[in-house]
Amino acid sequence: GAGVSQSPRYKVAKRGQDVALRCDPISGHVSLFWYQQALGQGPEFLTYFQNEAQLDKSGLPSDRFFAERPEGSVSTLKIQRTQQEDSAVYLCASSFTTGNNSPLHFGNGTRLTVT
Amino acid sequence: QKEVEQNSGPLSVPEGAIASLNCTYSDRGSQSFFWYRQYSGKSPELIMFIYSNGDKEDGRFTAQLNKASQYVSLLIRDSQPSDSATYLCAVVNTNAGKSTFGDGTTLTVKP
Repeated sequence: GAGVSQSPRYKVAKRGQDVALRCDPISGHVSLFWYQQALGQGPEFLTYFQNEAQLDKSGLPSDRFFAERPEGSVSTLKIQRTQQEDSAVYLCASSFTTGNNSPLHFGNGTRLTVT
Repeated sequence: QKEVEQNSGPLSVPEGAIASLNCTYSDRGSQSFFWYRQYSGKSPELIMFIYSNGDKEDGRFTAQLNKASQYVSLLIRDSQPSDSATYLCAVVNTNAGKSTFGDGTTLTVKP
């Protein structure tokens, strides 16, 4: 696989349900980022990993949000007790490093709708 | 006030014209600047990056950076209808490690 792969592409959850969103980054990419994008807005930072270490989780909106990357490759973003305001597109991106010239490579995103 | 500001648009230009997209940022420690293009319903894709003051050209695209003014812009020459998309400015403070995005400018190129 040449690109970042996210699954599922679409997820409908009833309010109060837990969801898990998966991201498989480009092989060899050290850094992995999660962003939340609401309609008509730019991506908002949630959290990022360098290998398996979560270096910044300052963007996670509440303690209902949890992310992990236990082996330094695949990452999962978990949202517990979903609320309607969690409805958004969740974008995963990876980069080779966190250096100045290392752009983000985005997956196709997971569109979460909470009803 | 957002850390990265862009005019939301929509910006409309005729085919063949120059489109000018602007971005300002508040973090003086920002070191790298990226422009991404996002088609409707798709994910962002990199157009180009710049980290030194001045101009950087890549084909029909030119990025301009002025760190003193905390300003970065993207010029698209000979605009094509296929350039119609939302253009996202992203700013990176390497010490922080993350990219901070503006809300994007929507560009429409009319045939």
